[in-house]
Amino acid sequence: DADVTQTPRNRITKTGKRIMLECSQTKGHDRMYWYRQDPGLGLRLIYYSFDVKDINKGEISDGYSVSRQAQAKFSLSLESAIPNQTALYFCATSDYRSPGANVLTFGAGSRLTVL
Amino acid sequence: AQSVTQPDIHITVSEGASLELRCNYSYGATPYLFWYVQSPGQGLQLLLKYFSGDTLVQGIKGFEAEFKRSQSSFNLRKPSVHWSDAAEYFCAVVQYNFNKFYFGSGTKLNVKP
Repeated sequence: DADVTQTPRNRITKTGKRIMLECSQTKGHDRMYWYRQDPGLGLRLIYYSFDVKDINKGEISDGYSVSRQAQAKFSLSLESAIPNQTALYFCATSDYRSPGANVLTFGAGSRLTVL
Repeated sequence: AQSVTQPDIHITVSEGASLELRCNYSYGATPYLFWYVQSPGQGLQLLLKYFSGDTLVQGIKGFEAEFKRSQSSFNLRKPSVHWSDAAEYFCAVVQYNFNKFYFGSGTKLNVKP
């Protein structure tokens, strides 16, 4: 099983619908992140969480919300999806307890299309 | 604010040729630097990282990168490219307290047979 699992992997929805992307991890990492990837723009940070009670906005949080249900679970919601939220979404984790090993571990991505 | 620039959007090299992908960053202190690779339909995989010490770092799949403080650069190199190296490559920098990672816009590598 993958260390960081994202569901669904692909989703097509319509404008105005509520969508939830889920992420779970088995690495025991404390920090979790949601990124959005658009062609030519690289990865942009939407939200990040350092623990269950600590959630922070990233560069492009408007139109998104998150929930850290447990240390291992971090969900991203689009309350009312719009076409310009069509993108590839990545969940990632990192372990702050070991600075020398502090890297991002990514899930396989969730491709969202909003019609 | 931190920023990461990858000036080359697309690069095409012949199989067996050498490769250099450029990365420049803007950051006031010594950064922590990374290169990630994304194969088609896949997530991002860490190629290598620089935190401190030797400025030439070795990574997986035969890649290396050199940190040059005077040029604010962290270029990725490989002496001989294989067809399986065709992918998109991302340079990233992280704040000193590991709060946020900033990514470049990526460089797509095509490998000609």
